[in-house]
Amino acid sequence: DTAVSQTPKYLVTQMGNDKSIKCEQNLGHDTMYWYKQDSKKFLKIMFSYNNKELIINETVPNRFSPKSPDKAHLNLHINSLELGDSAVYFCASSQVPRRETQYFGPGTRLLVL
Amino acid sequence: GQNIDQPTEMTATEGAIVQINCTYQTSGFNGLFWYQQHAGEAPTFLSYNVLDGLEEKGRFSSFLSRSKGYSYLLLKELQMKDSASYLCAVRDLLTGGGNKLTFGTGTQLKVEL
Repeated sequence: DTAVSQTPKYLVTQMGNDKSIKCEQNLGHDTMYWYKQDSKKFLKIMFSYNNKELIINETVPNRFSPKSPDKAHLNLHINSLELGDSAVYFCASSQVPRRETQYFGPGTRLLVL
Repeated sequence: GQNIDQPTEMTATEGAIVQINCTYQTSGFNGLFWYQQHAGEAPTFLSYNVLDGLEEKGRFSSFLSRSKGYSYLLLKELQMKDSASYLCAVRDLLTGGGNKLTFGTGTQLKVEL
């Protein structure tokens, strides 16, 4: 029944490691997003894909690389993790060109030690 | 660029009414959303305004004035479970097509007995 799902829910890792977060939506939406929410709870867009094509790429270090194998999946790979990458990462999806209400996944809590 | 302002914190009493304001400055306004986020959870959609006026949905209403760059979220008959962060988000039309949602920092609402 889950509309937007993410794995893993929690991720604790050492500085310098490479990790991936996966996102899947079963809403039939064609646009997916990655957001980062920092310790001050500020939610900021990182990337957006529409039908597997990158349409938003904010000022994000190139250690972050999104990949969309199909329109129901959007993964995020992070290389050489740094302490400042610790945050909650939310995936979201929406349907263009309707209202585009974005529906969020449960979040992945990343802690870099 | 964009600038979205909302109060950091508000406190209200159970059963009362509270109004959370949001002011914004944007170049390609294409709608305003309000989201609710409980601690440790994902943001969930509350309301959407694209035209001026009031949208009512049960105990929650949202108002928009595009000429003033102003919106508010009105919560009536407050319940303890309404204690959460309320995020104002402005959607902008991008030059190359597509839309981008920019979130305010959120208003942490505490409902007390």
